[in-house]
Amino acid sequence: KAGVTQTPRYLIKTRGQQVTLSCSPISGHRSVSWYQQTPGQGLQFLFEYFSETQRNKGNFPGRFSGRQFSNSRSEMNVSTLELGDSALYLCASSFWGARDEKLFFGSGTQLSVL
Amino acid sequence: KQEVTQIPAALSVPEGENLVLNCSFTDSAIYNLQWFRQDPGKGLTSLLLIQSSQREQTSGRLNASLDKSSGRSTLYIAASQPGDSATYLCAVKGGGFKTIFGAGTRLFVKA
Repeated sequence: KAGVTQTPRYLIKTRGQQVTLSCSPISGHRSVSWYQQTPGQGLQFLFEYFSETQRNKGNFPGRFSGRQFSNSRSEMNVSTLELGDSALYLCASSFWGARDEKLFFGSGTQLSVL
Repeated sequence: KQEVTQIPAALSVPEGENLVLNCSFTDSAIYNLQWFRQDPGKGLTSLLLIQSSQREQTSGRLNASLDKSSGRSTLYIAASQPGDSATYLCAVKGGGFKTIFGAGTRLFVKA
């Protein structure tokens, strides 16, 4: 069974641009969550989607947004990029996002903002 | 607000040594604790998941324990190998079903 797939693997953007990252969860998984990983802050929770609805949100500015489609694939968008947005963006999936479930992660998208 | 701390931040051991990685959390009202492994520039691989009602989980050379009342978990790695070199992260799922991660322990096993 295929794992969590994130595209693209690498992205280079300049300040002020916007970017869209994609995540395809494991087949049958309906919960998708997004994380930002930086050397200074570690892994920080961005948001979680279930059945096309955002259920949880972390402490990130409104420039960070996401959505989920009916097939459970998810995208996150970052507008007006800043240098500090350079990070590894990871998505994770699980069946329901329930309390007893494991998270399965993709390989991530490495975003560099110049 | 849940905070997760991992000690030590980095560890270098000779091959064959048994080792313990530590994870502590401030809010004991958790649903589960999960240990992950991350190789440089890669995603996270789940190693072990301990439910809040459990005390430990084992997989091969790995054993994870959970003491919810004291807010601690340990990951024990037996007979370490160079292939175990990676960053190990613990994560707790608590209120609001948010998963909070520690900063990780970077492990280097010398051949």
